[in-house]
Amino acid sequence: NAGVMQNPRHLVRRRGQEARLRCSPMKGHSHVYWYRQLPEEGLKFMVYLQKENIIDESGMPKERFSAEFPKEGPSILRIQQVVRGDSAAYFCASSPQKSGNTIYFGEGSWLTVV
Amino acid sequence: AQTVTQSQPEMSVQEAETVTLSCTYDTSENNYYLFWYKQPPSRQMILVIRQEAYKQQNATENRFSVNFQKAAKSFSLKISDSQLGDTAMYFCAFMKQQGGSEKLVFGKGTKLTVNP
Repeated sequence: NAGVMQNPRHLVRRRGQEARLRCSPMKGHSHVYWYRQLPEEGLKFMVYLQKENIIDESGMPKERFSAEFPKEGPSILRIQQVVRGDSAAYFCASSPQKSGNTIYFGEGSWLTVV
Repeated sequence: AQTVTQSQPEMSVQEAETVTLSCTYDTSENNYYLFWYKQPPSRQMILVIRQEAYKQQNATENRFSVNFQKAAKSFSLKISDSQLGDTAMYFCAFMKQQGGSEKLVFGKGTKLTVNP
């Protein structure tokens, strides 16, 4: 049973470009989360999705950031017009259902904006 | 608002010895979940141990165990027989459940170094 798969693992973008990060949850998991880790800090919640639904996006910046989890295919975190402050590790996680089930993390995607 | 505090930014321990990492949290909820995650130099987030607040028994996973003090809102991690591979950042996390959503709130982490 493959774990949470994220790609790309490393992404370099110039300021103003778009970044797309993909996440395939563990088999059987219908809940997906995105977290961001800035250098020397802990992870911060961004968004919680179920298939075709955004449940909680309270941690997402209001502009330039969006996330989706379509009926078919991976979850996508999209960052438009990237700035240097977007440089961070972006972790995807999944769980089979709510109510305190363990959340399993992927290996992260490292975005560097130059 | 729920907060998680890890008061030890860095710690070190000799191989084979025992070390305890501290974590305190703040919540008004009665039922919740607590986690310890490990982040080695590879940067992957690895679950170490999970505790359900309504269970009085402390969780244990091999060399890892917790001391869960609900009244004191304390959730420390004990690593016995420390190994070089235990060198990593350790993050304590609280699961916040509200309005149909759930999310992890992380502390700032403790950097643990196991010395040979």
